[in-house]
Amino acid sequence: GAVVSQHPSRVICKSGTSVKIECRSLDFQATTMFWYRQFPKQSLMLMATSNEGSKATYEQGVEKDKFLINHASLTLSTLTVTSAHPEDSSFYICSARDSKGVGDQPQHFGDGTRLSIL
Amino acid sequence: DQQVKQNSPSLSVQEGRISILNCDYTNSMFDYFLWYKKYPAEGPTFLISISSIKDKNEDGRFTVFLNKSAKHLSLHIVPSQPGDSAVYFCAASPSGTYKYIFGTGTRLKVLA
Repeated sequence: GAVVSQHPSRVICKSGTSVKIECRSLDFQATTMFWYRQFPKQSLMLMATSNEGSKATYEQGVEKDKFLINHASLTLSTLTVTSAHPEDSSFYICSARDSKGVGDQPQHFGDGTRLSIL
Repeated sequence: DQQVKQNSPSLSVQEGRISILNCDYTNSMFDYFLWYKKYPAEGPTFLISISSIKDKNEDGRFTVFLNKSAKHLSLHIVPSQPGDSAVYFCAASPSGTYKYIFGTGTRLKVLA
């Protein structure tokens, strides 16, 4: 149980392209999902909290117009990297928290998306 | 400002022996701590967690210890197996939020 599917796993595209990444909770509902970014040999850095039916909450220093988040259903959140540039190249990972969980619940992670902007 | 630190970037342990991974934190508002295991090109897999009201939690070969006064937690794996070789991240969640702050990870290599 508690499977999170992230798609695509890898994207290579030209500078200026917008890229959409999907994050789905397959066997549970998630009113809250999270988007992280990981640079090589570094930690996972939280970018934003995705809230079903409302606006995402962005961490300090993350451009909300650059990284558009939509969480239209209880099982799907999307991250769109708009007008991507080489410096946006990174490993993006989503996670989800089971809405029906009581108290402390671990987040379950997708397998990440390797984004390479040429 | 790294609020969660894993000072050992790597650790090698012989198969069958104990692996001890350490994590230090600075924020006293953290009240939930977790350990995740990560293989290359995959997302982190949840291993074990502990609430700040406890000082120990055990699940099979994995035990997490929390020392609140020292702001330190550790993960013990015993006996270590070659399949345990991966990068281990500790994470901490501030009270009242579901957000996680991750450490920089420790690469564990279990030698057969």
